[in-house]
Amino acid sequence: GENVEQHPSTLSVQEGDSAVIKCTYSDSASNYFPWYKQELGKGPQLIIDIRSNVGEKKDQRIAVTLNKTAKHFSLHITETQPEDSAVYFCAASWGTGNQFYFGTGTSLTVIP
Amino acid sequence: DGGITQSPKYLFRKEGQNVTLSCEQNLNHDAMYWYRQDPGQGLRLIYYSQIVNDFQKGDIAEGYSVSREKKESFPLTVTSAQKNPTAFYLCASSRGGPAAFSYNEQFFGPGTRLTVL
Repeated sequence: GENVEQHPSTLSVQEGDSAVIKCTYSDSASNYFPWYKQELGKGPQLIIDIRSNVGEKKDQRIAVTLNKTAKHFSLHITETQPEDSAVYFCAASWGTGNQFYFGTGTSLTVIP
Repeated sequence: DGGITQSPKYLFRKEGQNVTLSCEQNLNHDAMYWYRQDPGQGLRLIYYSQIVNDFQKGDIAEGYSVSREKKESFPLTVTSAQKNPTAFYLCASSRGGPAAFSYNEQFFGPGTRLTVL
């Protein structure tokens, strides 16, 4: 089955700096890679996703890059703000209605 | 408003009791999922259902049971056979069923925190 590894487990940055979270996956059949943000005591919220036919996707301060050859994808947050503080999860899946495989999460703290 | 609701938000159970967690969605999604989240860990899949009256075990199905009698509902029962049930339980849904391909996004409910006393 698929195995998703996520690094780092914790990350602290100064407000205004950039944050990068990296994930690797093992199954070359995976073709969909979402990123979720989870605030304390709440369910995860989808913030950005990328499909295997795209190398990069950007949405305002958030971007995701995908390297299919190396089987890794990364979340980039620029100009970080205190409200970006949360736990971020990456995931990988293939097809639809199929199982998602999640990374173990990155706790991001943005220091004002 | 369209979305996923889970109830209750907090649930306390005595050892040896079965308990059922509710998950309802009005997004007209075919697929629904149950995850368990433990502190400092990722989401682990318990069960998922791609279509009504069908469901599959995930990675940690032992001690849990589900039903999918209606498209909008996917209740999870935590049985007394689950040795360590205290956790945060998350329900999710996605648009795609087994015949679709393009719509993978999973949307999550607010979660139920189960504590065994």
